[in-house]
Amino acid sequence: AQSVTQLDSHVSVSEGTPVLLRCNYSSSYSPSLFWYVQHPNKGLQLLLKYTSAATLVKGINGFEAEFKKSETSFHLTKPSAHMSDAAEYFCVVRPLNGTYKYIFGTGTRLKVLA
Amino acid sequence: DGGITQSPKYLFRKEGQNVTLSCEQNLNHDAMYWYRQDPGQGLRLIYYSQIVNDFQKGDIAEGYSVSREKKESFPLTVTSAQKNPTAFYLCASNPDRFNQPQHFGDGTRLSIL
Repeated sequence: AQSVTQLDSHVSVSEGTPVLLRCNYSSSYSPSLFWYVQHPNKGLQLLLKYTSAATLVKGINGFEAEFKKSETSFHLTKPSAHMSDAAEYFCVVRPLNGTYKYIFGTGTRLKVLA
Repeated sequence: DGGITQSPKYLFRKEGQNVTLSCEQNLNHDAMYWYRQDPGQGLRLIYYSQIVNDFQKGDIAEGYSVSREKKESFPLTVTSAQKNPTAFYLCASNPDRFNQPQHFGDGTRLSIL
């Protein structure tokens, strides 16, 4: 069965320090992987996607993620946090096995301290 | 600009009442989805549709119904059978290709009066 685990439900960082949001997936097939951000009372906005090209993926707003097949991980990073990064982040998997379903992690709430 | 429009932004339901949430997209996407979001639970799939006049139940379809009469529209009805409807509802769409991300609307927040 396919699944996504976001290892931290809450992460707090100081403004200007690095951000690391962790995601592990389980999939019997090579998946497509995505990171989304959600601000309060808004929909999800795509940050970046991995679709079997380069393993280091750059996204919007300075975020990037590295696909590590051996570790089944797809962690999201940013070198320097801004106050505007405070939001909820979702890791999403779409297994390439013919299913039309996207599998969502339970989210990580990022808090940025001044 | 292309996108997904959900309406209304806030909706209140009385006991025993059915309510319908609207979702319209002008992205020319084949696939459309409805999700329910509760705090701390991520997104749960209610229904999805890959093509006009066809749709499938997701993981929590009980108490909900949908239709897909037009490519750009995928309304969700929350029926009186749904005993705990209070949640944030998100509509999404994507092209019918496996490596494509979903695009999301801004959601509808449904509460019980």
